[in-house]
Amino acid sequence: GQNIDQPTEMTATEGAIVQINCTYQTSGFNGLFWYQQHAGEAPTFLSYNVLDGLEEKGRFSSFLSRSKGYSYLLLKELQMKDSASYLCAVRDSNYQLIWGAGTKLIIKP
Amino acid sequence: IAGITQAPTSQILAAGRRMTLRCTQDMRHNAMYWYRQDLGLGLRLIHYSNTAGTTGKGEVPDGYSVSRANTDDFPLTLASAVPSQTSVYFCASSVQAGEGGNEQFFGPGTRLTVL
Repeated sequence: GQNIDQPTEMTATEGAIVQINCTYQTSGFNGLFWYQQHAGEAPTFLSYNVLDGLEEKGRFSSFLSRSKGYSYLLLKELQMKDSASYLCAVRDSNYQLIWGAGTKLIIKP
Repeated sequence: IAGITQAPTSQILAAGRRMTLRCTQDMRHNAMYWYRQDLGLGLRLIHYSNTAGTTGKGEVPDGYSVSRANTDDFPLTLASAVPSQTSVYFCASSVQAGEGGNEQFFGPGTRLTVL
């Protein structure tokens, strides 16, 4: 079967750094996506990794290790507006996205 | 219109009724998708369309049907609603299906309650 695992919830402090992990077991791999979803809103795209390594985009970075079936999203200089759910999704051999249940990130002052 | 719109925003529906959720995009994207999102579960693909005139089944297609008569519109129909179809439904689109960083853009969602 196909499986995407993420922690259900994490808490961090404003101004700090947090790492959200994602492990996956899918039928094939054609890229990994991270999305942000604020409560009651639609998911919005954050990052895409298809090769091993780190992709940096401002305060957000995403890392991929295909051999380990592992990715993480790193958020630096946390702001209150970063309180949201972060969704990991893997594109499988059929080029469809398989989604994790999401990690709810709570930022405290 | 800018991006993807969905209608209605929310709906309460009696079991057994027929319902069509509407989705329209103005980005001329080839691929469109319908997902449902339930608490504690990831987004699950119901149906998809890689290009106008074609559709395919996703992970949870039973009880749902779609059509793609043109590029812009991708309606989702529940022929006879059941309480287990209570969920938040998201429509999404991407430039194309397949390889590359084809991110999906999401509509605002429809919150459906079936009683």
